[in-house]
Amino acid sequence: DTGVSQDPRHKITKRGQNVTFRCDPISEHNRLYWYRQTLGQGPEFLTYFQNEAQLEKSRLLSDRFSAERPKGSFSTLEIQRTEQGDSAMYLCASSLRTGADTQYFGPGTRLTVL
Amino acid sequence: EDQVTQSPEALRLQEGESSSLNCSYTVSGLRGLFWYRQDPGKGPEFLFTLYSAGEEKEKERLKATLTKKESFLHITAPKPEDSATYLCAVRGGQGAQKLVFGQGTRLTINP
Repeated sequence: DTGVSQDPRHKITKRGQNVTFRCDPISEHNRLYWYRQTLGQGPEFLTYFQNEAQLEKSRLLSDRFSAERPKGSFSTLEIQRTEQGDSAMYLCASSLRTGADTQYFGPGTRLTVL
Repeated sequence: EDQVTQSPEALRLQEGESSSLNCSYTVSGLRGLFWYRQDPGKGPEFLFTLYSAGEEKEKERLKATLTKKESFLHITAPKPEDSATYLCAVRGGQGAQKLVFGQGTRLTINP
């Protein structure tokens, strides 16, 4: 299977701890996106990379959130000093800049902050 | 600001009972309206992209249509395996790449 992969699939942490999630996009895709989804809602955009450059960030992305895509391949999303309100599904998507530029999503990382 | 509203929030149908899901949107310069299917605990699965009013796309029992203000996802003779949450999203103008999603319609097909 050559789809988008995310690791871990589930993460339980205590309030105040730092967590890091990884996303591996479809191999030839040069655009990568992070979204957050809470129960009963649609995904909300967090940030977007084209190759290694972070080109767009949402106001939702507070100072405690940071994302990187160091070599234009995989990406990491780190949340520092987690809060209970950070509990959500974190989704990664990737797309190819040319053509339809359709975003294909990974399975997500479910974060629970106790 | 781009906005998407989906209705109804939830829909229960009997197997074989056709219906439609609605997606109303406001966007500055539409560069694509997207339909995704999402099963519980999984990421959204891409279904269709529509770009201009009057465009239609079909896949098995699903047909998506687009007007200047809304999109419909028509489900013909659904089966229990069509049960899922259906998400609508738009990509607006001004070079933005993000998708703005609606809250989804949770569809249940009873056998």
